[in-house]
Amino acid sequence: GAGVSQTPSNKVTEKGKYVELRCDPISGHTALYWYRQSLGQGPEFLIYFQGTGAADDSGLPNDRFFAVRPEGSVSTLKIQRTERGDSAVYLCASSLSASGRAFTQYFGPGTRLTVL
Amino acid sequence: AQRVTQPEKLLSVFKGAPVELKCNYSYSGSPELFWYVQYSRQRLQLLLRHISRESIKGFTADLNKGETSFHLKKPFAQEEDSAMYYCALSSTGTASKLTFGTGTRLQVTL
Repeated sequence: GAGVSQTPSNKVTEKGKYVELRCDPISGHTALYWYRQSLGQGPEFLIYFQGTGAADDSGLPNDRFFAVRPEGSVSTLKIQRTERGDSAVYLCASSLSASGRAFTQYFGPGTRLTVL
Repeated sequence: AQRVTQPEKLLSVFKGAPVELKCNYSYSGSPELFWYVQYSRQRLQLLLRHISRESIKGFTADLNKGETSFHLKKPFAQEEDSAMYYCALSSTGTASKLTFGTGTRLQVTL
């Protein structure tokens, strides 16, 4: 079946602009995660949704970052007033359940964000 | 705070040689450990998790709580093993984020 998809695959924007990154999880997966991966680093957790609600947003770096998942499926990561330091690959993952043996997170291909 | 350390950025081995990718962790509770792999131009995918105690593609990893390690091993490296490997941990039994190490690039040469 289809895996996690993310759009766009690449996004180039100018400093100060607003961007939205979209994630389509695997159908039926209730848990959805956003991570950010900077060059030479491992993925860094941003936020996790269980259904429609954000269960853990402790990884969001500041209030310029916000994410929604209004219907418990597709999620959008929103970044306001982008800064050059926001440049990274943004990864989305989903899992069938948030705990237990069904916890395996399946990752999307990522969106490469470049802020000029 | 939870932390995962992968001390080697690059590990280069010859085909047929044994492989050991090191991973150490710091966590106050009961962790669940994972190895993820990213092949060239592919997405990040789960290789194995310690609770499954499986051998995937010939790789194994044993959780050593005394040494807080979860090293990934394979007795004979293959060219197709060349990839980026990430060690990660999460809390056991709860909905939770993954904390990743910085990754080790494995390069298998002839």
